[in-house]
Amino acid sequence: NAGVTQTPKFQVLKTGQSMTLQCAQDMNHEYMSWYRQDPGMGLRLIHYSVGAGITDQGEVPNGYNVSRSTTEDFPLRLLSAAPSQTSVYFCASSLTSGSYTDTQYFGPGTRLTVL
Amino acid sequence: GESVGLHLPTLSVQEGDNSIINCAYSNSASDYFIWYKQESGKGPQFIIDIRSNMDKRQGQRVTVLLNKTVKHLSLQIAATQPGDSAVYFCAENPDAGGTSYGKLTFGQGTILTVHP
Repeated sequence: NAGVTQTPKFQVLKTGQSMTLQCAQDMNHEYMSWYRQDPGMGLRLIHYSVGAGITDQGEVPNGYNVSRSTTEDFPLRLLSAAPSQTSVYFCASSLTSGSYTDTQYFGPGTRLTVL
Repeated sequence: GESVGLHLPTLSVQEGDNSIINCAYSNSASDYFIWYKQESGKGPQFIIDIRSNMDKRQGQRVTVLLNKTVKHLSLQIAATQPGDSAVYFCAENPDAGGTSYGKLTFGQGTILTVHP
């Protein structure tokens, strides 16, 4: 298994541009989520999904959209990038949505800079 | 331990020493806690977890202690090795009862540096 994969690894955007961060997992995990990590801070939850077709907001959802059309993929969209969205973005997945103690597996991250 | 601010707490130890990393959590209703290790340029990696009905749990070279009275977690690493150098995060599940589905709240992190 490749685990959780994320593309791209690095991205530079100009203010107002849009883009999609890709996340995929090949472990047939029900639960997927997106976090952002800023310097000196822990990870903060952006959006999450408990299964295909079901998404919900996390702690910091503003400026981001998600969809979950398949079990494997959970893309994160920035509609109009802002400098405040400069961060490292991590995607994570866990086996089920029925147990909150399931281990979350994290991808390698996407480093995004918005100029 | 954890603190608010832009500068992460740091811990420097010599190879072979035992390391203790501390974390203060915020929500007395949290009943599931995890320690993650994050190496430079990588995503967080699960180390060990503990439920609130326990006060101690041991893994391979690691032990997590939970003190619910003062809302404090610690991670003990025995015989620390250079490969243990990383940022260590504690995380808590803020919604007890199984409805939060992994909506973890992460601490700020502690930088552990192990000198050969």
